[in-house]
Amino acid sequence: EVQLLDSGGGLVQPGGSLRLSCAASGFTFSTYAMSWVRQAPGKGLEWVSVISTSGGTTYYADSVKGRFTISRDNSGNTLYLQMNSLRAEDTAVYYCARGAQSSGRIDYWGQGTLVTVSS
Amino acid sequence: IQLTQSPSSLSASVGDRVTITCRASQGISISLAWYKQKPGKAPKLLIYGASTLQSGVPSRFSGSGSGTDFTLTISSLQPEDCATYYCQQLNTYPLTFGQGTKVEIK
Repeated sequence: EVQLLDSGGGLVQPGGSLRLSCAASGFTFSTYAMSWVRQAPGKGLEWVSVISTSGGTTYYADSVKGRFTISRDNSGNTLYLQMNSLRAEDTAVYYCARGAQSSGRIDYWGQGTLVTVSS
Repeated sequence: IQLTQSPSSLSASVGDRVTITCRASQGISISLAWYKQKPGKAPKLLIYGASTLQSGVPSRFSGSGSGTDFTLTISSLQPEDCATYYCQQLNTYPLTFGQGTKVEIK
């Protein structure tokens, strides 16, 4: 069974940093591109970032480019999102998700982890 | 690429046929997926490649379209279909979602 377990969310002050993790199991992690998608309270879905199978190619939404870094550890089956210079508008539930453009779909999602940016 | 869904919300009776549309600001071939999301839950994939039903999804869901205009159809609305539905284009980075369509039961 495919499982994605998001963690690392919490309360952080504006300008602060946080690292999210996503532990994957039930599939061959190294053969799938992986994405992060977020959802601000009461709002719609916003794609954040994607990383290729090897980690050599990454893309970001304009809203996070230069502040967020996606990475992966294929030996440990874990996806990461390093978030720096956090702003109030980054407050959202962040979902780890399997898939991207290469597969034409995002077919599995984590349960989400809440990031709150507030003083 | 911007995606515009319509309507933003709808209310229909059990058994009704429901159609949601998604229009892309430029052509995306068939690189479109549809998701269903219930409050407090992660989204669930329904349709990908504009018309391919994801495994395990009831056959009352169907998708069509190509280029810039797409539709999601629920052939006979069921109570468990109350949710918000999103389209997503996977043709070009950055990937984008529509703003969502909230479906309620009358």
